[in-house]
Amino acid sequence: AQSVTQLDSQVPVFEEAPVELRCNYSSSVSVYLFWYVQYPNQGLQLLLKYLSGSTLVKGINGFEAEFNKSQTSFHLRKPSVHISDTAEYFCAVSERGTYKYIFGTGTRLKVLA
Amino acid sequence: GAGVSQTPSNKVTEKGKYVELRCDPISGHTALYWYRQSLGQGPEFLIYFQGTGAADDSGLPNDRFFAVRPEGSVSTLKIQRTERGDSAVYLCASSRDGNQPQHFGDGTRLSIL
Repeated sequence: AQSVTQLDSQVPVFEEAPVELRCNYSSSVSVYLFWYVQYPNQGLQLLLKYLSGSTLVKGINGFEAEFNKSQTSFHLRKPSVHISDTAEYFCAVSERGTYKYIFGTGTRLKVLA
Repeated sequence: GAGVSQTPSNKVTEKGKYVELRCDPISGHTALYWYRQSLGQGPEFLIYFQGTGAADDSGLPNDRFFAVRPEGSVSTLKIQRTERGDSAVYLCASSRDGNQPQHFGDGTRLSIL
C-alpha cells in the first residue's frame, strides 16, 4: 500500500532564508507526486507536480522539488522565503494512471521576520 | 474560469442531525472527489465520481455517508445521524479526468455539537 511521510510537522525559518520541506513515499509501482499549499481556512492549491520527464520540477511562487526514485523522496525547496509563504504544505502521491491521492500529514512552514 | 465552489463554508449542527454538503466543480471537469480533513491531518479520500457514477466509494467510513452527482456536475455529500467524530473539514476537488491534477475547493467546516 502507498504511504507518504512528512517527518517535519513544523519548520520555522527566517525571512529570506532557504527552506527544504521533506517528503518520502512508499509505493511498489510508478507514481505521480504533488505538493499542495493550504493557507488558513482555505482549500489546497497545487504548487507543483511530477508526472514524468525531468526530475527537477519548478512550481509557482518560486518553489521547486526534485524527484529521487532511489530514495523515494520528493523534497520541496525554496531558495529565499517570504512572510507570505507561511502556510501548511502537503505532499501527495498517486499511482500512475489512477486518481486516488494519498496525502502526508502536512508540514507547517512558519516564516519569521 | 471559476474554481471549485463548496457550500456552506461552515456548518454547525447537533449530534444525530442530517447534513448535506454541496460541491460545484470547475466547468467541464468530469472527475469529482470528496476528501475529509481532520484537525492536524492531511486530507483522506472518501469517494470519486467519473461523470454521474461513483467509480470508487471505498473511502466512505460507513453507511451513514452517501454522495450523489445526478447530472455529472454538482455533487452533494450526505451524512445521516451525525456523530461528533464526523466533525472535520470536507474538501471537494475536481479534475479534467481521472488522470489530471486535482483542483480543490475551500472546504466545508462541519462541527457536530
